[in-house]
Amino acid sequence: NAGVTQTPKFRVLKTGQSMTLLCAQDMNHEYMYWYRQDPGMGLRLIHYSVGEGTTAKGEVPDGYNVSRLKKQNFLLGLESAAPSQTSVYFCASSSQLAKNIQYFGAGTRLSVL
Amino acid sequence: DAKTTQPPSMDCAEGRAANLPCNHSTISGNEYVYWYRQIHSQGPQYIIHGLKNNETNEMASLIITEDRKSSTLILPHATLRDTAVYYCIVRVGETSGSRLTFGEGTQLTVNP
Repeated sequence: NAGVTQTPKFRVLKTGQSMTLLCAQDMNHEYMYWYRQDPGMGLRLIHYSVGEGTTAKGEVPDGYNVSRLKKQNFLLGLESAAPSQTSVYFCASSSQLAKNIQYFGAGTRLSVL
Repeated sequence: DAKTTQPPSMDCAEGRAANLPCNHSTISGNEYVYWYRQIHSQGPQYIIHGLKNNETNEMASLIITEDRKSSTLILPHATLRDTAVYYCIVRVGETSGSRLTFGEGTQLTVNP
């Protein structure tokens, strides 16, 4: 069972470069989320989506954009990467009937130099 | 969401039961207790949740006190692979909300 798959697993960017992180889930979940986790800290919600074509801001949305064109995919974009965006990014999904049971991907480790 | 308090760290011997406490003294009647864990460098993993009755699944048991002000996650036979940070989270309902707030959690170290 694939569950939630994130690509890439690792990436190094230079300041100002752009990139897109891909999250795919095969559980037919309505809800999808992007979190970031900085060293020694808890997860913080960046953006989330309650369904195809809809997105909403989370706790720390600045500097990121997202899109949910297909139900199974949730993309996180960094238009102009900054060193402060060096972090581990986790994608998660959940069903509408059990929003608080979230299934997480393995994470993307991003370094911005 | 009600605030939770957990000890920062605990140790457990392999094969013994690990009992992880969580205090949520301001919990309200419609708030559930959820437990997640995060093994180093991996994404968080859901373990179990409950409202007021004790719950058990293939991973763990959840014991909630009668006044619901505290709970205990029990791993009956801890293994080295159970070494992780364990998070206790209180959320309203099962279908409400979006953001999960992971506090500092408890670092459980299972020793051989």
